[in-house]
Amino acid sequence: SAVISQKPSRDICQRGTSLTIQCQVDSQVTMMFWYRQQPGQSLTLIATANQGSEATYESGFVIDKFPISRPNLTFSTLTVSNMSPEDSSIYLCSVAYRTAYEQYFGPGTRLTVT
Amino acid sequence: SQKIEQNSEALNIQEGKTATLTCNYTNYSPAYLQWYRQDPGRGPVFLLLIRENEKEKRKERLKVTFDTTLKQSLFHITASQPADSATYLCALAFGNEKLTFGTGTRLTIIP
Repeated sequence: SAVISQKPSRDICQRGTSLTIQCQVDSQVTMMFWYRQQPGQSLTLIATANQGSEATYESGFVIDKFPISRPNLTFSTLTVSNMSPEDSSIYLCSVAYRTAYEQYFGPGTRLTVT
Repeated sequence: SQKIEQNSEALNIQEGKTATLTCNYTNYSPAYLQWYRQDPGRGPVFLLLIRENEKEKRKERLKVTFDTTLKQSLFHITASQPADSATYLCALAFGNEKLTFGTGTRLTIIP
């Protein structure tokens, strides 16, 4: 299994600002994903981070709001842009090796927007 | 669209008994069904994966069954312990390399 770290672990941000969340893995992985988990809800996939190309976004999520980078096989960032209180959530990155069907999750970033 | 329901938001079980959690889905059967454990303030941890052509999978005190006719998976923890208290999530994969998660069941094992 992978050791995954996320920074920051939590943050409180003002409406209208942006926050970049980092995800670092201790080994090279094939796939990296970003999820959102709103209070009391399950996980919703935001996008698949593709190494060397644009991320693949799920319905309801757009690049202008959630730009993603993946410069190599061990690192990815998610930016939450122009934040509103509705963006308050836990953001999780996950990784997979051979198949997306067994994913390993980071500890999450708890974001509060005031 | 695919809907996933986990039997209850919260389940309390006496220590030593078997805890049984349910995951029901609509529409198409997934290629894979998985169970994850999530502790407060942590990311989910992968527990077990079962394929659509498998009826049952075991790992130590954990057992998962998969019934594509009923469109249901059952997740059992035998000889439950207070350390098993957590939220358990089922997740479905339909062959497009993406997971769809259920809302989870919060399990509490009472000493």
